[in-house]
Amino acid sequence: DAGVTQSPTHLIKTRGQQVTLRCSPKSGHDTVSWYQQALGQGPQFIFQYYEEEERQRGNFPDRFSGHQFPNYSSELNVNALLLGDSALYLCASSLGGINEKLFFGSGTQLSVL
Amino acid sequence: GNSVTQMEGPVTLSEEAFLTINCTYTATGYPSLFWYVQYPGEGLQLLLKATKADDKGSNKGFEATYRKETTSFHLEKGSVQVSDSAVYFCALSLTGGGNKLTFGTGTQLKVEL
Repeated sequence: DAGVTQSPTHLIKTRGQQVTLRCSPKSGHDTVSWYQQALGQGPQFIFQYYEEEERQRGNFPDRFSGHQFPNYSSELNVNALLLGDSALYLCASSLGGINEKLFFGSGTQLSVL
Repeated sequence: GNSVTQMEGPVTLSEEAFLTINCTYTATGYPSLFWYVQYPGEGLQLLLKATKADDKGSNKGFEATYRKETTSFHLEKGSVQVSDSAVYFCALSLTGGGNKLTFGTGTQLKVEL
């Protein structure tokens, strides 16, 4: 049973570019949440998708957007990259959005130069 | 707003020593409390949780008790092993919050022989 998988594992971009990160949830899970973890910090909630809609959003600008597909996989898009967007981006999946046990992927390490 | 404060690391202990990692929280409402662990190169894993005051969460020899009067959820283990070396995150979620987690900044634990 595959857990949460994220791709790519590492990514290097330059300021102003756009990036797309991908996440496949754990089998049977229908809810995907995205978190940003800056170096030495705890993860910060970006948003959560359920039934292909954004259900909750944290305190992130509109440059951060997402999508959920019918197979429950999800993408995180970041436009107009800033140096401060360099971080580990974590995807977490759960069932129904009310189950408090989240399963996390290993993350995508994004470096913005 | 909601927040979690953890003791700063790194915490360095000898094998078989007693571990305490302090965690306090501020929340509107009645949160559930969690400890997550992040091993090098891996995603976060749920270590234990408690959903109401005076509950004790436990797993793999780790324990934490939900103390509403002191708004605390300190992590303890009686005898640490080298394999416990990791970063530990305290987190909360609010009832009805759709399992959105608010994390502390993490505490790195290093256990030496």
